[in-house]
Amino acid sequence: SQTIHQWPATLVQPVGSPLSLECTVEGTSNPNLYWYRQAAGRGLQLLFYSVGIGQISSEVPQNLSASRPQDRQFILSSKKLLLSDSGFYLCAWSNEFRTPNSPLHFGNGTRLTVT
Amino acid sequence: QKEVEQDPGPLSVPEGAIVSLNCTYSNSAFQYFMWYRQYSRKGPELLMYTYSSGNKEDGRFTAQVDKSSKYISLFIRDSQPSDSATYLCATRTGSSNTGKLIFGQGTTLQVKP
Repeated sequence: SQTIHQWPATLVQPVGSPLSLECTVEGTSNPNLYWYRQAAGRGLQLLFYSVGIGQISSEVPQNLSASRPQDRQFILSSKKLLLSDSGFYLCAWSNEFRTPNSPLHFGNGTRLTVT
Repeated sequence: QKEVEQDPGPLSVPEGAIVSLNCTYSNSAFQYFMWYRQYSRKGPELLMYTYSSGNKEDGRFTAQVDKSSKYISLFIRDSQPSDSATYLCATRTGSSNTGKLIFGQGTTLQVKP
């Protein structure tokens, strides 16, 4: 069966510090990968998605970047965090390649607090 | 206007009640519909996934889609305190391979023992 791992679960970082959040998927190949941010009372906002290695699409302009160095690895980064980057970051995957229009499956998220 | 509208609640019901959660959407190109359950400090978990208009049942859960009204619902029968969570509706067009979903804001449900 497929599993998705996301770490760390919580993170407290000072303003101006760098960020690296990692997500890996097991049990599948060629997944579509996604980074979402969830702010309180504001629903899920898609930040980045990737349909393959090295292929990154950005949905909103922001202080963050994403990379996909391997098929089942997705990384969310920032060179200098802002207070507004605080939030709950969720990684997700879908099996779009094998099963078009398949749903997304989420990891358990990273709660980031920028102080 | 948001593409998917969902009343954030909170919705509080007694244990055993039938719960009705609803979303409306504006884009008739949306073809696939999902309901996710999210417990506090956890990621969303897929509950129901449906394509066609009509009902889909899974245990105590029933998803209903009315494409003519652009209205989707999730019914929970015999609600339990463990059903207390935030419920998110989501949809997509199915016209590309990006797999991007459009989410509602989520409805917070509390089932009281």
